[in-house]
Amino acid sequence: AQSVTQLGSHVSVSEGALVLLRCNYSSSVPPYLFWYVQYPNQGLQLLLKYTSAATLVKGINGFEAEFKKSETSFHLTKPSAHMSDAAEYFCAVRTRAAGNKLTFGGGTRVLVKP
Amino acid sequence: NAGVTQTPKFQVLKTGQSMTLQCAQDMNHNSMYWYRQDPGMGLRLIYYSASEGTTDKGEVPNGYNVSRLNKREFSLRLESAAPSQTSVYFCASSVLQGNTDTQYFGPGTRLTVL
Repeated sequence: AQSVTQLGSHVSVSEGALVLLRCNYSSSVPPYLFWYVQYPNQGLQLLLKYTSAATLVKGINGFEAEFKKSETSFHLTKPSAHMSDAAEYFCAVRTRAAGNKLTFGGGTRVLVKP
Repeated sequence: NAGVTQTPKFQVLKTGQSMTLQCAQDMNHNSMYWYRQDPGMGLRLIYYSASEGTTDKGEVPNGYNVSRLNKREFSLRLESAAPSQTSVYFCASSVLQGNTDTQYFGPGTRLTVL
């Protein structure tokens, strides 16, 4: 079985500060991992994905995530928050063993303070 | 290229009423999905269709039916709506990119069942 845990349902950061969103996964087989962003009243947009190539993955809008197998983690970071980063972020895992279906974490809502 | 489109955007039903949510994609993707999003629970898979002519249950299929009308269209039907089905519904389609599928989401349908 595969599962995803996102630590913290809400995160508040100051503009210009580091954004760190935590994601831990559970999978008995090598996973594919994704981060999606959802802006208010919109659908989900892919930020980045890990597909077993480089462990440090760069995505859109200055975000990046590092796959750490020993920690079963895939945390999302951005060095300097911008007001436009206010959104909800979802981590998701997919494995062939689960029939290629995505399993999502509960989401983390980011508030950016001026 | 419209991507994934969903209709309607909003809907209010009374308990026991039926309705069909429509989804279409113009990206020539083989696989399509229906999710529901509830606060704190991320997205949960209702049904999916790996290819035209096939459908399979996801994590929360009870109370729903689907039809893969053709390669472009995948509809979700609520035969007798219940208040527990109040949610935001997302359709997605996916394509193989590199060594993994990547899902692309529609803007969602906000459904309230009174």
